[in-house]
Formats: sequence, structure tokens, C-alpha cells
Amino acid sequence: EVQLVESGGGLVQPGRSLKLSCLASGFTFSNYGMNWIRQAPGKGLEWVASISSSSSYIYYADTVKGRFTISRDNAKNTLYLQMTSLRSEDTALYYCARPYGGFDYWGQGVMVTVSS
Amino acid sequence: DIQMTQSPASLSASLEEIVTITCQASQDIGNWLSWYQQKPGKSPQLLIYGATSLADGVPSRFSGSRSGTQYSLKISRLQVEDIGIYYCLQAYSAPYTFGAGTKLELK
Repeated sequence: EVQLVESGGGLVQPGRSLKLSCLASGFTFSNYGMNWIRQAPGKGLEWVASISSSSSYIYYADTVKGRFTISRDNAKNTLYLQMTSLRSEDTALYYCARPYGGFDYWGQGVMVTVSS
Repeated sequence: DIQMTQSPASLSASLEEIVTITCQASQDIGNWLSWYQQKPGKSPQLLIYGATSLADGVPSRFSGSRSGTQYSLKISRLQVEDIGIYYCLQAYSAPYTFGAGTKLELK
């Protein structure tokens, strides 16, 4: 069974950093690109970042470029999102998702709240 | 960046009714279009990928179509469990973009 489990969220002050993790199981993680997608409270979905299976190709939304870094450790079956210079508008539920056709598997999400 | 214009923003329909949601891409995205359903408090679920292919386990009353840069999701006979918010997504080129969503309610 494919599972994606996010962790690392919480309450953080503006300007600080936070690192999210997404532990994958039930499939060969190293064969798939991965994505982070977020959803602000009561709002729609926003794609955040994408990384290819071997980390060769990485893309970011303009809203996070230069502040967020997506990475992965295929030996640990884990996807990461390092978030720096956090802003109130980064407050959201962050999902990791596997792309296959569409995004066929999503985690349950981890909440990040940026507030003083 | 590619813009996805989704309509309507909200929709009220009766059981067994046919429902159609559309997304207009600002440029050619081929078949790199997928549809998602999200229920309150849940993660989004893939319904359609490649514009027209039904995802595993999704009821056959859901279907997707394409006409040029306009994409449609059709629910042939609305059921209670279909209530939720629907999103389209273009994954043709980064930054990938979602439509703003369509909130589907029962009349």
C-alpha cells in the first residue's frame, strides 16, 4: 500500500525557518518524481515545488523561489522541503504528492502556521 | 506562466443530474490536465488524468474531455458522495497551476 506521511510542521515566527519531511512507503521511491502542494486555510490548492527522481530537475512556484528548497534522500525514502524567511502568507497545510499521470497519491498533510 | 480559468466557482445540482465543470488553459497544454475531488478535511483525490483517463477506483460516472485548450469534467448522474470541491491541474510546464476550484453542492 502506497503511503506518504508528512511531518515537521508547527507554529513558527515570521522570518524563521522550518523543514518538512515526507516519508514514502509501498512503492519504489527512487523511481518517481515528487511534489509539494499547499493549501491555505479555506483556500484552493497551490503547487509549491517539484523534484525529479534523481534530483536532476527541480522547479518552484514564484511565490517560494529563493526561500524554499526541495530535496530528497532516496536511501531514506524521504522527501524534504526546507523553508526559510517564512511569511504569514506561507501559512498552509502542506501536502506531498506522487505524480503518475496526475498526482495519484497524496499525504494527509502537515500544518505550518507562521505567526508572531 | 500558464493560467487555468475554472468555472463555475460554485454549482448547486440535484441528485441524478448531469454536472459539467470546465477549465480553460491560457495556452496549449496538450493532455497534461488532471482533475481532483476534495472533501472537507481530506486530501485531494485524483479523478481524471491525461485529460480523459479515469483514475483507478473512480466511478465511471466521471469522465473528462478536451476541446482545444478547454477541458471539461462531467459527472453523468450526481450522487450524494460527489459533493465536494473540484480542481483542475495543468502539469504541462512548471510552474504547475491549479484552477481556483468549483464547490459542488446539492440542491
